[in-house]
Amino acid sequence: DTAVSQTPKYLVTQMGNDKSIKCEQNLGHDTMYWYKQDSKKFLKIMFSYNNKELIINETVPNRFSPKSPDKAHLNLHINSLELGDSAVYFCASSQTVTGNTIYFGEGSWLTVV
Amino acid sequence: SQELEQSPQSLIVQEGKNLTINCTSSKTLYGLYWYKQKYGEGLIFLMMLQKGGEEKSHEKITAKLDEKKQQSSLHITASQPSHAGIYLCGAYSSNTGKLIFGQGTTLQVKP
Repeated sequence: DTAVSQTPKYLVTQMGNDKSIKCEQNLGHDTMYWYKQDSKKFLKIMFSYNNKELIINETVPNRFSPKSPDKAHLNLHINSLELGDSAVYFCASSQTVTGNTIYFGEGSWLTVV
Repeated sequence: SQELEQSPQSLIVQEGKNLTINCTSSKTLYGLYWYKQKYGEGLIFLMMLQKGGEEKSHEKITAKLDEKKQQSSLHITASQPSHAGIYLCGAYSSNTGKLIFGQGTTLQVKP
């Protein structure tokens, strides 16, 4: 049983397209996140949701729109994809907002061509 | 703002050798997390340290948090090819409450 699962794992798409990455956690956690890992392997938070409410929204282009239908799911939709969006996107979850271990999914490798 | 600096950025060792990776914070740490990432896989949680002077071990990996709680080290004894990957330290930022990460240390272990 995968605790934090995200799909797809690999995605190659053309510039200008719209794509979504889905994430689900079965840990019963209240908080979910999206992190982006760039080509230099630097991992940075994008969004955080707690009980379906957006609590962290870093300086991310508004082409990126997270959606949390319930506290076990946090999807990421990206409009008008650009070359610079190529990265690995990690979904994660934790019991509460801060101070708890964060568990990560396996990552979604997005390549924009 | 709080920052985490890892050293070295990359490391190549011969199988069987010991190695140490360091993580230094610009501010006091209130919880330091170590993760490992293998290519094509997600981040695997290794250990969490909270108290000054705390030390934890898992198999051949030992992590320590110094007394001043501003530096942590990850030590691998008798390294194996299975230890290869990217090691990341993470900590909750004291001013934003967000989990921030160091830039990672890439480890290669030569058989």
